[in-house]
Amino acid sequence: GDSVTQMEGPVTLSEEAFLTINCTYTATGYPSLFWYVQYPGEGLQLLLKATKADDKGSNKGFEATYRKETTSFHLEKGSVQVSDSAVYFCALSVSNTGNQFYFGTGTSLTVIP
Amino acid sequence: NAGVMQNPRHLVRRRGQEARLRCSPMKGHSHVYWYRQLPEEGLKFMVYLQKENIIDESGMPKERFSAEFPKEGPSILRIQQVVRGDSAAYFCASSPQGTHSYEQYFGPGTRLTVT
Repeated sequence: GDSVTQMEGPVTLSEEAFLTINCTYTATGYPSLFWYVQYPGEGLQLLLKATKADDKGSNKGFEATYRKETTSFHLEKGSVQVSDSAVYFCALSVSNTGNQFYFGTGTSLTVIP
Repeated sequence: NAGVMQNPRHLVRRRGQEARLRCSPMKGHSHVYWYRQLPEEGLKFMVYLQKENIIDESGMPKERFSAEFPKEGPSILRIQQVVRGDSAAYFCASSPQGTHSYEQYFGPGTRLTVT
């Protein structure tokens, strides 16, 4: 079935450190891939997306590349800030499964000054 | 342009009571999705609705749970005879189109506590 496996947390980094959060997927069709961010007490906000192989999504310094050969969509940022502290969710949506999103379990990131 | 709105934000119910969760999608969006987030877990799909139609309810528990999206008014997720295991955050999302390449916009969630 369709699923997302996400790097377990929590992750703690110093400000300006490099961030990678791994995400791999299994999909029966041709998925679109997403990263969402959830701040404490809030809903999920779209961070970036990619809808086909080799696409790169980017936003606010975050990037992720849709790698079909490795079925991965790893999230990266070159220099994290304290304000990036949040929970990050990888998700996929497949055209033949009625538009529902499949989410990873989330990775909690804490950035310390 | 207001985002997805959910109310109440927090809901406390005793076992056996009914819980009603409301969701108003973003303006112009006619596709609504409900997800449940259990503690320390990701979001799990429950149901996908369009106006007056349930499109996919494959994630809904077979009993006690129902959802609707009437022609007028918000979408409602209804849980009858709640049990402690229903305690979770329930998120609503909406999208302008029903294709998989479109992102879903999420509301702030309703945190249900069953005592």
